[in-house]
Amino acid sequence: GENVEQHPSTLSVQEGDSAVIKCTYSDSASNYFPWYKQELGKRPQLIIDIRSNVGEKKDQRIAVTLNKTAKHFSLHITETQPEDSAVYFCAAVRTGTASKLTFGTGTRLQVTL
Amino acid sequence: KAGVTQTPRYLIKTRGQQVTLSCSPISGHRSVSWYQQTPGQGLQFLFEYFSETQRNKGNFPGRFSGRQFSNSRSEMNVSTLELGDSALYLCASSFDRATGDEQYFGPGTRLTVT
Repeated sequence: GENVEQHPSTLSVQEGDSAVIKCTYSDSASNYFPWYKQELGKRPQLIIDIRSNVGEKKDQRIAVTLNKTAKHFSLHITETQPEDSAVYFCAAVRTGTASKLTFGTGTRLQVTL
Repeated sequence: KAGVTQTPRYLIKTRGQQVTLSCSPISGHRSVSWYQQTPGQGLQFLFEYFSETQRNKGNFPGRFSGRQFSNSRSEMNVSTLELGDSALYLCASSFDRATGDEQYFGPGTRLTVT
């Protein structure tokens, strides 16, 4: 089955610095890659996603890059703020009627003042 | 538009008992997926229902089952509870998860098995 590795498991950055979280996947049929943010005690929320026909996508301070050949994708957060502190999950999805979704193990991001 | 709701929010059960959790999706959403979240295993996919049919299933034992009603509301049942079933159970709805539509998560049901 699909395996998604996510690194690092914890990340501490100073406010204003950049943060990068990396994920690798094993199923070459995966074609959709969402990222979720889960604040303490709250539900996961989609923050950005990318499909396999695109190499990069940006939304304000957040960007995601995808390297299909190497089967890895990354989340980049620039100018981090304290409210970015949360657990971030990547996921790899094979769409279609036999759709499979596999989450990464999560990264706890702490933005310090 | 009302969000995804789950009931109950908290539940305490004893080993060997069974439990039923409920999920009401966003109006118009036909796909409901269930996930188990634990500190050790992270977020794991249980199963997905679409138009009252189980379309996909994760690697969980047969003690975990579910169903979906004609109004897209979904229930998840766990029989013969084990201590390891203690977790946050999240459901998520979308128009059609198979096409990669955005999933919206509910607040979860925290199940504690003693």
